[in-house]
Amino acid sequence: RKEVEQDPGPFNVPEGATVAFNCTYSNSASQSFFWYRQDCRKEPKLLMSVYSSGNEDGRFTAQLNRASQYISLLIRDSKLSDSATYLCVVNEGYGGGSNYKLTFGKGTLLTVNP
Amino acid sequence: SQTIHQWPATLVQPVGSPLSLECTVEGTSNPNLYWYRQAAGRGLQLLFYSVGIGQISSEVPQNLSASRPQDRQFILSSKKLLLSDSGFYLCAWSFLPGQGKRSYNEQFFGPGTRLTVL
Repeated sequence: RKEVEQDPGPFNVPEGATVAFNCTYSNSASQSFFWYRQDCRKEPKLLMSVYSSGNEDGRFTAQLNRASQYISLLIRDSKLSDSATYLCVVNEGYGGGSNYKLTFGKGTLLTVNP
Repeated sequence: SQTIHQWPATLVQPVGSPLSLECTVEGTSNPNLYWYRQAAGRGLQLLFYSVGIGQISSEVPQNLSASRPQDRQFILSSKKLLLSDSGFYLCAWSFLPGQGKRSYNEQFFGPGTRLTVL
């Protein structure tokens, strides 16, 4: 069974804190990796695609370790507006329809407090 | 730029009634299209995906069906709703591999339909 496991959370942090989310995936054939954020009762929105060498976008840094099948997201200088559920997402890999399918983790809820 | 629309935003239906949810995409051609369901407190479950007009792949056995009558239109239907069909239904699209700026298979979601079956 292809699974994506995330920290169960919830995380409660003060403004300005650094917070890290971890994620592991079971399908070694996975080729694409993403972090989405989902606000309460809203649709998921793409936060970052995770590149093989790791990548940074402002206060957000994503890392990928293919050998360990591990993905992380680091948020620095947390803002109140960062409060959301963060979803780790992995594509199922190449081959037929699998190339199109994404597997979503259950998400980790982050609350940033004033 | 691309946009995705879903309607209705909310829906309350009795058990045994039919269902039709519609999703349309603008600003791109030949997108891959997806239907997901998110039950309360649970992760996203892929229900159907489509790589072209009339091409539907089902991921889970259920009393739901999907159709793609036009390139950028995706419809989710049921003849008789069950209580367990309640949830947040999300339509998503992605570029075909190699079609977008990068072929990372990112999916972009519509605003969703919150369905309550009573």
